[in-house]
Amino acid sequence: AQKITQTQPGMFVQEKEAVTLDCTYDTSDQSYGLFWYKQPSSGEMIFLIYQGSYDEQNATEGRYSLNFQKARKSANLVISASQLGDSAMYFCAMRELTGGGNKLTFGTGTQLKVEL
Amino acid sequence: DSGVTQTPKHLITATGQRVTLRCSPRSGDLSVYWYQQSLDQGLQFLIQYYNGEERAKGNILERFSAQQFPDLHSELNLSSLELGDSALYFCASSVSRDRGSSGNTIYFGEGSWLTVV
Repeated sequence: AQKITQTQPGMFVQEKEAVTLDCTYDTSDQSYGLFWYKQPSSGEMIFLIYQGSYDEQNATEGRYSLNFQKARKSANLVISASQLGDSAMYFCAMRELTGGGNKLTFGTGTQLKVEL
Repeated sequence: DSGVTQTPKHLITATGQRVTLRCSPRSGDLSVYWYQQSLDQGLQFLIQYYNGEERAKGNILERFSAQQFPDLHSELNLSSLELGDSALYFCASSVSRDRGSSGNTIYFGEGSWLTVV
């Protein structure tokens, strides 16, 4: 079974600074996908970025980029120019194939607090 | 707005009761997933449907059941509710059954907060 590890329960960053949220994964699959989601205090789960295991370039979406190091099995999220609205819980997840379907396995999350 | 619609947003019910959570996937998405998020268990996969058929099953209790209808909306039925079933229930959708360049992204709805008292 796949496993996602997020070792940072909480992180603080100053506004306008960059921050890296760590994610490591464990899988025996050759083909897989990695996701990052943001969950603000209101509860919704917001898709941020996706990285496929065969993608040669690191994914980027606006201020979000994914630092994908396949050999190290890490998929860290980098948020540049942090904003107060970035304060939220961030989840790393991996898509796992299960028979004729698939599912996401989530990490435990990192609570990010952006300070003035 | 992810395009995935869940109703109701909040629900309070008593132990032993039955509730139905409803989900409308994004336009064009054939796969629907249900997840449960609780403080002690984190985010847990419950079940996946693709175009009306069950495709993957996770740690879904026997008291819970789901289905996907011909118009692709889905319902999650929770019966004989217990205090421990209190959680945030998410529906998510994607284009594909498993993966593919066009179906990589999985979008979540805003969730249904269930409180069992």
